Amino acid sequence: DTGVSQDPRHKITKRGQNVTFRCDPISEHNRLYWYRQTLGQGPEFLTYFQNEAQLEKSRLLSDRFSAERPKGSFSTLEIQRTEQGDSAMYLCASSRETPQYFGPGTRLTVT
Amino acid sequence: GEDVEQSLFLSVREGDSSVINCTYTDSSSTYLYWYKQEPGAGLQLLTYIFSNMDMKQDQRLTVLLNKKDKHLSLRIADTQTGDSAIYFCAESYGGATNKLIFGTGTLLAVQP
Repeated sequence: DTGVSQDPRHKITKRGQNVTFRCDPISEHNRLYWYRQTLGQGPEFLTYFQNEAQLEKSRLLSDRFSAERPKGSFSTLEIQRTEQGDSAMYLCASSRETPQYFGPGTRLTVT
Repeated sequence: GEDVEQSLFLSVREGDSSVINCTYTDSSSTYLYWYKQEPGAGLQLLTYIFSNMDMKQDQRLTVLLNKKDKHLSLRIADTQTGDSAIYFCAESYGGATNKLIFGTGTLLAVQP
């Protein structure tokens, strides 16, 4: 069990650029979650996958955000036309049923 | 709607016990969780409790759940400087999705 990994750990981008983050869950975990955490706040749910199916999306996930989990293994989260308000820590978590185990996060800074 | 509340800050001396409190609103939550976050890091699962339990103990950690008052607490015995971090309470919400609703976190500062 190597834990949940995320790449990159840090990303600085200019406003208007597209960015993509990757999450590798714990092997054999069929559930995968993305959360966003802004400074001084707790994480907020973005989206949920069971195997390769995206079963729930938060209202926080605007049209500029898209997530995929091809083949039910790793997942990617893409943000198009980034805005300064997208600056946050993006956390991935995986589980079989419960509990959820989190990765180290990707910190996005939009300048 | 769902909401989880925590006090923002707790300061204790090394060796004392720490008690971090949390209130939640969703009475249908199946599990409640405590996570620890150190600066710049992800969330580390500390412990979790099934909603039909009153108490769970795991080494220095004791979780108490009062389902009637929707109150959850985490007691850390013999608090160490390495326990300094932000502690998040979370409830599972949304049936099959099991997404987590987090509080704003409690910053625990342990004085030597």
